[in-house]
Amino acid sequence: GAGVSQTPSNKVTEKGKYVELRCDPISGHTALYWYRQSLGQGPEFLIYFQGTGAADDSGLPNDRFFAVRPEGSVSTLKIQRTERGDSAVYLCASSLQPGTGQETQYFGPGTRLLVL
Amino acid sequence: DQQVKQNSPSLSVQEGRISILNCDYTNSMFDYFLWYKKYPAEGPTFLISISSIKDKNEDGRFTVFLNKSAKHLSLHIVPSQPGDSAVYFCAASPNPNDYKLSFGAGTTVTVRA
Repeated sequence: GAGVSQTPSNKVTEKGKYVELRCDPISGHTALYWYRQSLGQGPEFLIYFQGTGAADDSGLPNDRFFAVRPEGSVSTLKIQRTERGDSAVYLCASSLQPGTGQETQYFGPGTRLLVL
Repeated sequence: DQQVKQNSPSLSVQEGRISILNCDYTNSMFDYFLWYKKYPAEGPTFLISISSIKDKNEDGRFTVFLNKSAKHLSLHIVPSQPGDSAVYFCAASPNPNDYKLSFGAGTTVTVRA
């Protein structure tokens, strides 16, 4: 079936603006993750959803970042009052429920965010 | 703090030869290790994993070796093929059921024809 999709693929915004990044997980995957990859670094964990609830948001850098998954499928990562340091590739991944032995995380292509 | 380190940002190898990618970690709680491969404009894709109860795991041309006492693992690709040219990320977690992966910065592999 289809893999994880993310939109937009690229987003350019101005400092101080609000952005929303969307993730469509693989159908049937109950777990969804957001990671951020800054230039020259590996992906860094931001938040994990199991179903509709954020089971772990310990990776969100500050309260300007927020994510939702209202129906347990599509997720939106929201960034308020963007700063130049928010520029990065935002990766979404999904998997079957952790603890089932089928936890391999499948990643989308990412959204490249540039804050000017 | 970078708990997973890939100290070689790039590696160039001739087609048919062995590629060896190295990874070191500092967190002694890590018990499960993975390698992901990433092509440009695509997300990382899972390649191979190893649990700390093993010191070697093999899947076709890919073998991962784990030295837990040295907190070191390596990925061997034999023989290297042009399609192996990509960025390779080492990742770790405290156990296979832990979703929070810690990634290294990646090693870019270029396979020369």
